[in-house]
Amino acid sequence: DAGVTQSPTHLIKTRGQQVTLRCSPISGHKSVSWYQQVLGQGPQFIFQYYEKEERGRGNFPDRFSARQFPNYSSELNVNALLLGDSALYLCASSAWGGTEAFFGQGTRLTVV
Amino acid sequence: QKEVEQNSGPLSVPEGAIASLNCTYSDRGSQSFFWYRQYSGKSPELIMSIYSNGDKEDGRFTAQLNKASQYVSLLIRDSQPSDSATYLCAVKGLDEKLTFGTGTRLTIIP
Repeated sequence: DAGVTQSPTHLIKTRGQQVTLRCSPISGHKSVSWYQQVLGQGPQFIFQYYEKEERGRGNFPDRFSARQFPNYSSELNVNALLLGDSALYLCASSAWGGTEAFFGQGTRLTVV
Repeated sequence: QKEVEQNSGPLSVPEGAIASLNCTYSDRGSQSFFWYRQYSGKSPELIMSIYSNGDKEDGRFTAQLNKASQYVSLLIRDSQPSDSATYLCAVKGLDEKLTFGTGTRLTIIP
């Protein structure tokens, strides 16, 4: 069984550019969440989608947006990149109702 | 503001000994509790979940939950060098959002 897949694995962008990160959840999982992890910190919640609807948003600026597609895959978009956006971006897949969440391998974003 | 607190470590434990990792959380409405292991440069890997008070054992790992004290712990028996990693405590409430601690860095000394 395929786990959670994210693409790309690494990305280097220049300040001010835009980036799109992609995530495919585990088959049968309808919930996808996005997290940002900076070095030395735990992952911070960005967005949660369930059945293609946004169900939660963390304390991130409007430059961050996301969506979920009919096949339950998801994209995270970040506009007007700042140096501080450099981080590991993680996608988590889960069913709904307090169940376990499984992470993809992450996308390492470096903004220069 | 929901908070999850962990001792950042580093925690050094001799090979073969028991490693004890602790976590406290602030939101009494929290429903589900998880431990993730994260190797350097990798993504978090789920190793234990616990939903009710008491102990839950899985191989060398035991998770303990005390909702009255808002306390979760993870015990690793017969610690191995491959257990050296950062361990993240995560809590999920009714909003389905995971709130993480900063992680405890564990080093197993051969």
